[in-house]
Amino acid sequence: QQQVKQSPQSLIVQKGGISIINCAYENTAFDYFPWYQQFPGKGPALLIAIRPDVSEKKEGRFTISFNKSAKQFSLHIMDSQPGDSATYFCAASPGGTSYGKLTFGQGTILTVHP
Amino acid sequence: DAGVTQSPTHLIKTRGQQVTLRCSPKSGHDTVSWYQQALGQGPQFIFQYYEEEERQRGNFPDRFSGHQFPNYSSELNVNALLLGDSALYLCASSLVDRGNIQYFGAGTRLSVL
Repeated sequence: QQQVKQSPQSLIVQKGGISIINCAYENTAFDYFPWYQQFPGKGPALLIAIRPDVSEKKEGRFTISFNKSAKQFSLHIMDSQPGDSATYFCAASPGGTSYGKLTFGQGTILTVHP
Repeated sequence: DAGVTQSPTHLIKTRGQQVTLRCSPKSGHDTVSWYQQALGQGPQFIFQYYEEEERQRGNFPDRFSGHQFPNYSSELNVNALLLGDSALYLCASSLVDRGNIQYFGAGTRLSVL
């Protein structure tokens, strides 16, 4: 059962453009929503994360927007650069006894053209 | 400061064999989680270890087992390998009171022939 749905599967953006990746979840017990970046041959690296009591979080060029009522969250990459070309995963984790059990989306392959 | 290290990098096994993968957590971390990442998919949670015990488990059969040692390093064992076990196996470490902030290793690529 896929609990976190991610779209699009792939995304091509020109340098300087905005990249937007969307995720939707079903489990209302989720209370932590990170985004990971993965380069070929590497493990996922934590990029930015948000909790549901906040609607937006910004770190540098990366912003998470969170809509609790719609059970959706998205990653915006401003001024996209060729070095941002990677696979991006959204994830979610519940609280309580399942704390730390990350459920990942299927990933978005981002290509930024120079 | 060494990050999460995994060994071996690549492994080729035959169907029905058994395999052991190893993970050393980031310095100072006490919790280790294992994930399976099939090609083109997101990682799937296998289980998590803290204080040498399995703390929680994902939807994986008993063929998948693990161990955590007193120095917090961990092993993932898979018995009776199936072709479908071919994947990248990722280890992530964290602090028990900040378990959502997980640092991943580069993984072990397992191919089952």
